[in-house]
Amino acid sequence: QSVLTQPPSVSGAPGQTITISCTGSASNLGAQYDVHWYQQFPGRAPKLLIYRNKNRPSGVPDRFSASKSGTSASLAITGLQAEDEADYYCQSYDSTLAGHVFGTGTTVNVL
Amino acid sequence: QVQLEQSGTEVKKPGASVKVSCKTSGYNFIDYDVNWVRQAAGQGPEWVGWINPKDGETGSAEKFQGRVTMTRDTSMKTAFMELRGLRPDDTAVYYCARLTEYDFLDHWGQGTQVTVSS
Repeated sequence: QSVLTQPPSVSGAPGQTITISCTGSASNLGAQYDVHWYQQFPGRAPKLLIYRNKNRPSGVPDRFSASKSGTSASLAITGLQAEDEADYYCQSYDSTLAGHVFGTGTTVNVL
Repeated sequence: QVQLEQSGTEVKKPGASVKVSCKTSGYNFIDYDVNWVRQAAGQGPEWVGWINPKDGETGSAEKFQGRVTMTRDTSMKTAFMELRGLRPDDTAVYYCARLTEYDFLDHWGQGTQVTVSS
């Protein structure tokens, strides 16, 4: 099972701001390990959205932002758009499991 | 551009083995670990394991140890993942992905559907 916990779903109207939380523990987010975020559309591979806690790869709109503090991280989408409807996953490394771990995933619904 | 191209859909019976390939292009194959991640329908991604293409060193999640083998062919710039003793709950889409030095997966293959059914 996932060791990073996310809310199952988050909804918002176009133009609104939503946030997705990612809660870990002392062996992953609470240690020195970075958190990364992926966006996934149905039937497609995950796509890197945010890396090293807060950085956007080229081509990712600046309405996506993220932060990390202690054992938690969050992803914010400002100015929500219909095209942002997708699943979002956080990912980090866990020293106890000695491997990479993913969040439980959050489905974003645009009302 | 960086690309990872995976082999096609597999249907296997319980107890069989499956070997998925991941052909890379657009970068120096030996410079980045290749990781394997699987995703069952309606579930989140699950990390399976990794291979260092330079020296062939591998590692995997504890639940797969003893059942999974990751190899590579540097001349073909291709990584492989073999999973043995397949069970119905191994049914999933299996992805290969390039791991950066900062432990994030920046490029992914398109996925390979593996179905285990009697």
